[in-house]
Amino acid sequence: GAVVSQHPSRVICKSGTSVKIECRSLDFQATTMFWYRQFPKQSLMLMATSNEGSKATYEQGVEKDKFLINHASLTLSTLTVTSAHPEDSSFYICSARDGLAADTQYFGPGTRLTVL
Amino acid sequence: QKEVEQNSGPLSVPEGAIASLNCTYSDRGSQSFFWYRQYSGKSPELIMSIYSNGDKEDGRFTAQLNKASQYVSLLIRDSQPSDSATYLCAAPPRTTGFQKLVFGTGTRLLVSP
Repeated sequence: GAVVSQHPSRVICKSGTSVKIECRSLDFQATTMFWYRQFPKQSLMLMATSNEGSKATYEQGVEKDKFLINHASLTLSTLTVTSAHPEDSSFYICSARDGLAADTQYFGPGTRLTVL
Repeated sequence: QKEVEQNSGPLSVPEGAIASLNCTYSDRGSQSFFWYRQYSGKSPELIMSIYSNGDKEDGRFTAQLNKASQYVSLLIRDSQPSDSATYLCAAPPRTTGFQKLVFGTGTRLLVSP
């Protein structure tokens, strides 16, 4: 299957700092990528849809000024958690949609964020 | 009614048995269906996709789709303890313009040695 990478895999930061997470589709072009968040023992929660060359679309209740998304190329989307607080600690997962594979979504390995 | 529904389980099967995971969906317009496996603390991994009525086999996995009944299932033959995970059913419904996946809550599978 297609490969999606995420970096970093784990980050620990102090409250108030910003953290950038990268999501790359390694062997296909993804005009659309998605960002999810998952708290322990809970379901995946879609945060936003990232479209190459345009503004991201955020789900209801997700603060766009806090979670900045940039999709500057067909293989890279970034999520920046600005002024992170302990309640932002979670598992952040991206997925990329392969338009040439019946729009199948492939997930990255995830980034575990811990805010102290 | 939720757009994609699954029994949360856990579904317990002995090693070597067939595990049957079920999923129903509400949007008759959905065209594609996906099964993902998620181990604890890891991200989802695509197991199977299915688009047409009937069965689709890949190794020990068989996906079954019945659009008339709005039902999709995943069979795992010769279950192994390493198959123990949460299995997520997903479909992109018309309400999202067929763009976003809607996931079921997942079924936790436990395969005992």
